[in-house]
Amino acid sequence: DQQVKQNSPSLSVQEGRISILNCDYTNSMFDYFLWYKKYPAEGPTFLISISSIKDKNEDGRFTVFLNKSAKHLSLHIVPSQPGDSAVYFCATPSGTYKYIFGTGTRLKVLA
Amino acid sequence: DARVTQTPRHKVTEMGQEVTMRCQPILGHNTVFWYRQTMMQGLELLAYFRNRAPLDDSGMPKDRFSAEMPDATLATLKIQPSEPRDSAVYFCASGPDRSSPHFGNGTRLTVT
Repeated sequence: DQQVKQNSPSLSVQEGRISILNCDYTNSMFDYFLWYKKYPAEGPTFLISISSIKDKNEDGRFTVFLNKSAKHLSLHIVPSQPGDSAVYFCATPSGTYKYIFGTGTRLKVLA
Repeated sequence: DARVTQTPRHKVTEMGQEVTMRCQPILGHNTVFWYRQTMMQGLELLAYFRNRAPLDDSGMPKDRFSAEMPDATLATLKIQPSEPRDSAVYFCASGPDRSSPHFGNGTRLTVT
């Protein structure tokens, strides 16, 4: 039973446009969310996070939005660059030490 | 720049053989995780440790998988006997308490 879901396995976007990656969660007790980025043959690396006391967190070209009532978060990348092509995972702590991840969305930015 | 080190990077083995994957967590990180990446499940949590004690291994098939931390610098994941359905990329990650995990580059396992 997936507690964190990424329903779009893949997304293609033209360079310079906005990329929007989505993530849904089932447990309203989750209060902190992370996005990781993964290149082929490498491990995932932390990208950006958001706490439930906020509804938006921005870091350069990356912005994460949180809609608690809908149990939904999204990652916006503006403008998208070819180097952003990767798999993106959303994640959340579950319990004290455990992190659970979604199934990932493969983003391809077309030059 | 400190990083999690995993060995081997690639492993090809025949069904029924034992496989051991090793991980050196980042010094000072007291939580260690084992994840498996598959197309269908994304990043599945197999097991995790805090201060070398196993906290949860409910994500692992108990009859064939085992995870241990013999010391603070080494975590191991063993599969015995291996099966073709175990083919995946296995990631180790470590982190300080309540902080985002840092991942190694994974072990790509192929069981034929």
